[in-house]
Amino acid sequence: AQSVAQPEDQVNVAEGNPLTVKCTYSVSGNPYLFWYVQYPNRGLQFLLKYITGDNLVKGSYGFEAEFNKSQTSFHLKKPSALVSDSALYFCAVTSGGFKTIFGAGTRLFVKA
Amino acid sequence: GAGVSQTPSNKVTEKGKYVELRCDPISGHTALYWYRQSLGQGPEFLIYFQGTGAADDSGLPNDRFFAVRPEGSVSTLKIQRTERGDSAMYLCASSLQGSQTYEQYFGPGTRLTVT
Repeated sequence: AQSVAQPEDQVNVAEGNPLTVKCTYSVSGNPYLFWYVQYPNRGLQFLLKYITGDNLVKGSYGFEAEFNKSQTSFHLKKPSALVSDSALYFCAVTSGGFKTIFGAGTRLFVKA
Repeated sequence: GAGVSQTPSNKVTEKGKYVELRCDPISGHTALYWYRQSLGQGPEFLIYFQGTGAADDSGLPNDRFFAVRPEGSVSTLKIQRTERGDSAMYLCASSLQGSQTYEQYFGPGTRLTVT
């Protein structure tokens, strides 16, 4: 069965510091990986995705993520965090069908 | 352009009643998804439509839940004999095509409360 794990309920980082939000997955076939962000009182927004090719993918708002097949991970990163990055982040995977599996989410808190 | 819209934004109903939740996808998007999100959890897949047909309804929890998309655009999620455990945020999403590789665009959700 497909699954996604986001091991941290919350990540705290100071503004200007690099941030990492972790995601690991388990699928039986090739994974297609996504990151979405949910701001308060707003719907989920697409950030970036890995389909194939370069393991480092770049997305909206300066975010990037690295696909690591051997570690089955797809961690979200940003070199310099902003207070406005504070939100709820979801990792998601599809494989072998159209059913998308989401992680439980990680709340990012960036302190000024 | 207009994004995915969902109505109503909030719905309070009594246990045992029937409810309908509506989703208007982005124009031209052929794929439509319904999810359920409980507090502190990620979205849980319910059903996927490609055009008018339900291509995957494996996430519907039981036969009280049903969804339609008769003209390949607007979709309605129908819940019969509601139970308190059905209380959750119901999300709709659409994507340009029904492919595993396309990102989804989400609506703001309908918060369902069953009393």
